[in-house]
Amino acid sequence: DQQVKQNSPSLSVQEGRISILNCDYTNSMFDYFLWYKKYPAEGPTFLISISSIKDKNEDGRFTVFLNKSAKHLSLHIVPSQPGDSAVYFCAASGAGGTSYGKLTFGQGTILTVHP
Amino acid sequence: DAGVIQSPRHEVTEMGQEVTLRCKPISGHNSLFWYRQTMMRGLELLIYFNNNVPIDDSGMPEDRFSAKMPNASFSTLKIQPSEPRDSAVYFCASRRGQGYNEQFFGPGTRLTVL
Repeated sequence: DQQVKQNSPSLSVQEGRISILNCDYTNSMFDYFLWYKKYPAEGPTFLISISSIKDKNEDGRFTVFLNKSAKHLSLHIVPSQPGDSAVYFCAASGAGGTSYGKLTFGQGTILTVHP
Repeated sequence: DAGVIQSPRHEVTEMGQEVTLRCKPISGHNSLFWYRQTMMRGLELLIYFNNNVPIDDSGMPEDRFSAKMPNASFSTLKIQPSEPRDSAVYFCASRRGQGYNEQFFGPGTRLTVL
């Protein structure tokens, strides 16, 4: 039962163009969403997050959009840079009880940005 | 500031041996999480602690796995006896507290059980 899904295992983008990474979730109790970036042989690094009371959060080149009715979120990277090449994980957190603060991760999307 | 510290970074052992993974969370963080990453199951939560107390261990695969947090600056994940299917990368993460969602990950321990 995969509650957070990243259906695209990989994405290839030209430097300077936009990268769009997608994530779908099934549990309506999730109320906070995060994106992590992971380089090989390193731990995931927090990138950006969004609360369910918002539909957009922006931080520099990174913007996360949340569509609650569709249970869908996306990460936009503009412009994409070769250093953005990494695995990107979507994660969701639900409130209440022992679920509070637990993160459920998607399978990840490998982003490759070509010079 | 130092991030989450994990040791060892790599561990190779033989089936049946005891394995102990160690984690030092970020100073001042009072929540600690242990994750396992495999190709088949991705990144999955094993157990987490708040203020050194285990809150949810429902992700621990079986009794061979145990975790402790004797104080705010140290935690261990032990596998006894280890099996080849335990081979994975194990991550430790810490969080400032229950009012925060962002978790900060260590570099991981790559475990290989032969």
